[in-house]
Parts: sequence; structure tokens; C-alpha cells
Amino acid sequence: NAGVMQNPRHLVRRRGQEARLRCSPMKGHSHVYWYRQLPEEGLKFMVYLQKENIIDESGMPKERFSAEFPKEGPSILRIQQVVRGDSAAYFCASSLAWGRTTDTQYFGPGTRLTVL
Amino acid sequence: DQQVKQNSPSLSVQEGRISILNCDYTNSMFDYFLWYKKYPAEGPTFLISISSIKDKNEDGRFTVFLNKSAKHLSLHIVPSQPGDSAVYFCAASRNTGNQFYFGTGTSLTVIP
Repeated sequence: NAGVMQNPRHLVRRRGQEARLRCSPMKGHSHVYWYRQLPEEGLKFMVYLQKENIIDESGMPKERFSAEFPKEGPSILRIQQVVRGDSAAYFCASSLAWGRTTDTQYFGPGTRLTVL
Repeated sequence: DQQVKQNSPSLSVQEGRISILNCDYTNSMFDYFLWYKKYPAEGPTFLISISSIKDKNEDGRFTVFLNKSAKHLSLHIVPSQPGDSAVYFCAASRNTGNQFYFGTGTSLTVIP
């Protein structure tokens, strides 16, 4: 009965490198959401995906950030050419359906990205 | 543009007393509200929710109150226990759209 899994838990990158964050949803969940929490702020929605589809990416920065949720394997949040301002905790959540009144979103432990 | 606001960054309460955490929102289209609890180095955990058709929802020691006219909701924890010490996030969503909007959190400390 594993929950949402994220790895790595901590990731250190130098400016200009790429960061790849992985999220395995709960068993049976096909909806994945990525959130970012900057220091002293709340969680900010980034993107909502279903298997092989991006449903809503209205919270994603227009450049350098991308996300995918392939048919097989985990969801990936990819940040190219990282900058110091990308340092944050990135949380993934999953739900059985669109997590409103029918279900809720279950969160992973997060990946803490530090950009040096 | 912070549509969900938690104006108290921290709160301290004696064990056994009531904890009241507050949340305000600006978007009148929000119709579903949730509270999440977060321990350090862990992800948020769902606690309790309320639909806008209700003004109160209770689950054990936790009760959420919704005042739509004031665009305000609150979470009551009674009696408070030391294990309740965590950061509490308020979140909201609207009928259209696919995301939750989170507040900045309130750090609750329950003093034994």
C-alpha cells in the first residue's frame, strides 16, 4: 500500500545543469499534479497530467520547465538550465480522479532542489 | 496574486485547549475547500474538506467552518494535542479548472 513516491528526496545542481524529478503515483491513480513551494510561501500549482496527456500546465513557467507522464513509468518534471531561483521543494500529488469532491490529492514527500 | 490567504504564520496553544486556524479567500468562484497538515520533510496530508453548500463539516476533533459571505473558513481542533503540531495549509478549488490554490500555511505548536 505504497503512497506517492518521489525521488530523489534531495537534489543539488549547479546553475545551468538539468534537474529531473520523478514521481510515482499511488497504485491505481492516473492523475498527477506537480506543485512548487518556494521558501516562506505556500504550494503553487504547476501542472496536471493524466497518462500521456498534459491537462493543465497553466502554472508552469513558459521556459525551461516541462513535464510528462508516460504510459509506463513515473511522471517526470524536468528543469533545464537551472537557476538559483529554481531552488524549492517540489511536491507531486496523485488522485484516483480529478481530486475534488470525488477524491482528494495525496502528496508525496517532495524533492528539495538546491541550485548552487 | 495570492487568492487564498492565511494571515497568521504561527499559532501556539496549550494542550487540551482549542486551536483555531483561519483562512480567507478572494475568489468567489471557489466552491470546495480543504485543509492539509504538513510535518517537516513530509508531503501535505489531507485532513478535512468542505463543499460550499455546507457551512460546517466535522470529523472527530477537527471541524471546518465556512462563511461564504465573508469568504472565510476556519479549522477548529479540540482538544489540541502535541501531535497536532505541524504546518496547516488551507486550499480551495473552483468548479472549472484543475488545481488547488493553497495558502501560505500556519505553523501550529501545541504546548504540552
